[in-house]
Amino acid sequence: DARVTQTPRHKVTEMGQEVTMRCQPILGHNTVFWYRQTMMQGLELLAYFRNRAPLDDSGMPKDRFSAEMPDATLATLKIQPSEPRDSAVYFCASGLVLGRGRNQPQHFGDGTRLSIL
Amino acid sequence: EDQVTQSPEALRLQEGESSSLNCSYTVSGLRGLFWYRQDPGKGPEFLFTLYSAGEEKEKERLKATLTKKESFLHITAPKPEDSATYLCAVQAGGETSGSRLTFGEGTQLTVNP
Repeated sequence: DARVTQTPRHKVTEMGQEVTMRCQPILGHNTVFWYRQTMMQGLELLAYFRNRAPLDDSGMPKDRFSAEMPDATLATLKIQPSEPRDSAVYFCASGLVLGRGRNQPQHFGDGTRLSIL
Repeated sequence: EDQVTQSPEALRLQEGESSSLNCSYTVSGLRGLFWYRQDPGKGPEFLFTLYSAGEEKEKERLKATLTKKESFLHITAPKPEDSATYLCAVQAGGETSGSRLTFGEGTQLTVNP
């Protein structure tokens, strides 16, 4: 089965360091999503892309977070500088959006567990 | 604003003891309601999509149903391997919603042998 691949699976770093998380979406999917999951907030949408173009990043703290899709096989989420409150599990998901028709479900990777000390 | 509320937060069942999980939603024009299963240390795994009131989907011991205000995930004769967190999410149909999902907080299900 095709899967969304995320790297690294775990990351521990000190406050102030740059963190980069990577995602390889499922081949053929045209939409990529970044989510953050914490015990307090559950799953929150940070940003998403359609055909590599950013559609919505209103869920991200703009001053420190950035998301890009350099090509169709790679999405990145960067945090600079990182803070302890950024500690969470970050998930990437991909899906096929068919315009006004029924959308295919989003498929998730296994996440990057991030700890900022 | 789209809202999803799941209940109960946690549920303990004995193997074979059937039950239901609830997902209540408020959304401006439902485009789809999604159920996911999440195991510890893993990403959510897709289970079902429901598009309109009255629709039902089944997979093994799971059956999802949908009304205009809520969805139920019925678990028949559960087994310990059904233990997981079950997440409900809605997708709104408005022009500004795009394909975003709004998730509930989840129901943590434990099935004891």
